[in-house]
Amino acid sequence: EVQLLESGGDLVQPGGSLRLSCAASGFTFNTYAMGWVRQAPGKGLEWVSTISGSGGSTFYSDPVKGRFTISRDNSENTLYLQMNSLRDEDTAVYYCAKVRSGSFRSTFDYWGQGTLLTVSS
Amino acid sequence: VLTQSPATLSVSPGERATLSCRASQRISTNLAWYQQKPGQAPRLLISSSSTRATGVAARFSGGGSGTEFTLTISSLQSEDFAVYYCQHYDSWPLGFGQGTKLEIK
Repeated sequence: EVQLLESGGDLVQPGGSLRLSCAASGFTFNTYAMGWVRQAPGKGLEWVSTISGSGGSTFYSDPVKGRFTISRDNSENTLYLQMNSLRDEDTAVYYCAKVRSGSFRSTFDYWGQGTLLTVSS
Repeated sequence: VLTQSPATLSVSPGERATLSCRASQRISTNLAWYQQKPGQAPRLLISSSSTRATGVAARFSGGGSGTEFTLTISSLQSEDFAVYYCQHYDSWPLGFGQGTKLEIK
């Protein structure tokens, strides 16, 4: 059974940093791209970032490019999102999601339950 | 950019619901649909415009290509009332529609 468990969400001041983690199990982690999708309170879904199975290719949405870094540790089956220079508008539930197929650019077939980041002074 | 319509759809149980998703440029069939219930993560329903994900009931069907897509639920069950999102994966950045809330009439 595929399981994705996010952690690391917290209350952070504007300008601060935080790292989210996502522990994966139930599939061969290093053969699938992974991504982060966020959802601001009461709002819709917003794609944040995707990383290839090897970690050699990364993709970012414009609002987070240059501030967020996605990475993975395939020996630990863990996905990360390092978030710097946080802004109020980064407040959201952050979901870790598994990409469905071998292509980086695809749908997300499994999702974690999310972790809440609140950016506020 | 994906535009979903309507924003809210009120339908009675047992009736048919049709949700629309329009893309601002042609995306072939690189479109997915997700269902999200309150307090839960999204669930993949449909990929490649019309392919049901594993375990998804046959009453859910998707169609369309290019710029116009639909998700149809043939006979609404109580558990189908939720928010539905479309997502394109034709190019970077990936994008989601703003969602359609399907509510009980």
